[in-house]
Amino acid sequence: GENVEQHPSTLSVQEGDSAVIKCTYSDSASNYFPWYKQELGKGPQLIIDIRSNVGEKKDQRIAVTLNKTAKHFSLHITETQPEDSAVYFCAASTWVGGKLIFGQGTELSVKP
Amino acid sequence: EPEVTQTPSHQVTQMGQEVILRCVPISNHLYFYWYRQILGQKVEFLVSFYNNEISEKSEIFDDQFSVERPDGSNFTLKIRSTKLEDSAMYFCASSEVIRAGEETQYFGPGTRLLVL
Repeated sequence: GENVEQHPSTLSVQEGDSAVIKCTYSDSASNYFPWYKQELGKGPQLIIDIRSNVGEKKDQRIAVTLNKTAKHFSLHITETQPEDSAVYFCAASTWVGGKLIFGQGTELSVKP
Repeated sequence: EPEVTQTPSHQVTQMGQEVILRCVPISNHLYFYWYRQILGQKVEFLVSFYNNEISEKSEIFDDQFSVERPDGSNFTLKIRSTKLEDSAMYFCASSEVIRAGEETQYFGPGTRLLVL
């Protein structure tokens, strides 16, 4: 069935370093890939998304890359700051309005 | 900025009791969703709702679950007879979804349900 795998489950970096989180998906029909940030006690907040007709998208310190052939996509955060510390989830969807299939989450810790 | 709201923030109930979780989606949105997250696990899709009917549902969403949009603003999830394994954080989400490029799902803060 549909599945999204996410690695690593935890990631600790020093402030200013880069962080990379990787996801793979099983359904080749997936065409929409959002990334969410979840802070303690809050709901997931969208930070960036990418659609299948694009290979890379960047928004300031955050970038996402997509490799449809290999069915994987990655989140890159540069110049990390302590406020980037949170749980990050990748997700995939196969149609506009369709359900999101989430990865397991990555707990990112940025140490000052 | 418009946001999805959910009530209550926490709910404790006895096994076998009925619970209703409430959500107010963003006002011009057309698609509504319920997801749940068992402690320490991934966020799981339960059901989506569009044009006053269920659009899609997961295997988790069995006969014990139902959704309703009783008026123009609220979207509810009812669990008829709660089980211990229903204990989780329940998230409501909504999406404008007119076309590709507008499918972002906005999540509420969640309701933490504890079944004793």
